[in-house]
Amino acid sequence: QQQVKQSPQSLIVQKGGISIINCAYENTAFDYFPWYQQFPGKGPALLIAIRPDVSEKKEGRFTISFNKSAKQFSLHIMDSQPGDSATYFCAASKPTGRRALTFGSGTRLQVQP
Amino acid sequence: DTGVSQDPRHKITKRGQNVTFRCDPISEHNRLYWYRQTLGQGPEFLTYFQNEAQLEKSRLLSDRFSAERPKGSFSTLEIQRTEQGDSAMYLCASSPTGGGEKLFFGSGTQLSVL
Repeated sequence: QQQVKQSPQSLIVQKGGISIINCAYENTAFDYFPWYQQFPGKGPALLIAIRPDVSEKKEGRFTISFNKSAKQFSLHIMDSQPGDSATYFCAASKPTGRRALTFGSGTRLQVQP
Repeated sequence: DTGVSQDPRHKITKRGQNVTFRCDPISEHNRLYWYRQTLGQGPEFLTYFQNEAQLEKSRLLSDRFSAERPKGSFSTLEIQRTEQGDSAMYLCASSPTGGGEKLFFGSGTQLSVL
């Protein structure tokens, strides 16, 4: 059972454009929704995260929009830069002791100069 | 804070051989996780330690896999009798108790089973 579904699989955006990646989850017990960025040969690194008590969170050029009723959340990258080219993963975790993350399948973003 | 360190970065082995990976978490991080990532997929949870206690194992962790975290510091992941299906990136992550939602990942060990 794929608990976190992510789309699109790949995305090409022009420099300065907006990149939008979407995720949907099934388990209503999830209460923490981070986005991770991964460059080739590196481990994932936390980019931004949100809890379901807010509908939007912004940090610099990165914004998470959260729709609790639809069980969906998305990452918006404003003014996309070539340095943003990476694979992005949405994830979710439940408020259990271990707090292990369930990841989406990833979106490969390419920002063209 | 030197980050999560994993060794080796790459491992090539023949089917049937045993391999062991090491993870050094960020110092004073009580929680340690192992994940597996195959090409084009997100990381999948394997196991979790709170200090030296292994508190949870995923069904992905077959009997050929064993993980330890002696003294609650570094951790090792051993795969016995490797199979070609074990080829993947093995990621280690750590987090502090109380701030456990944010996971800090290492760069992983890329395993290739020939």
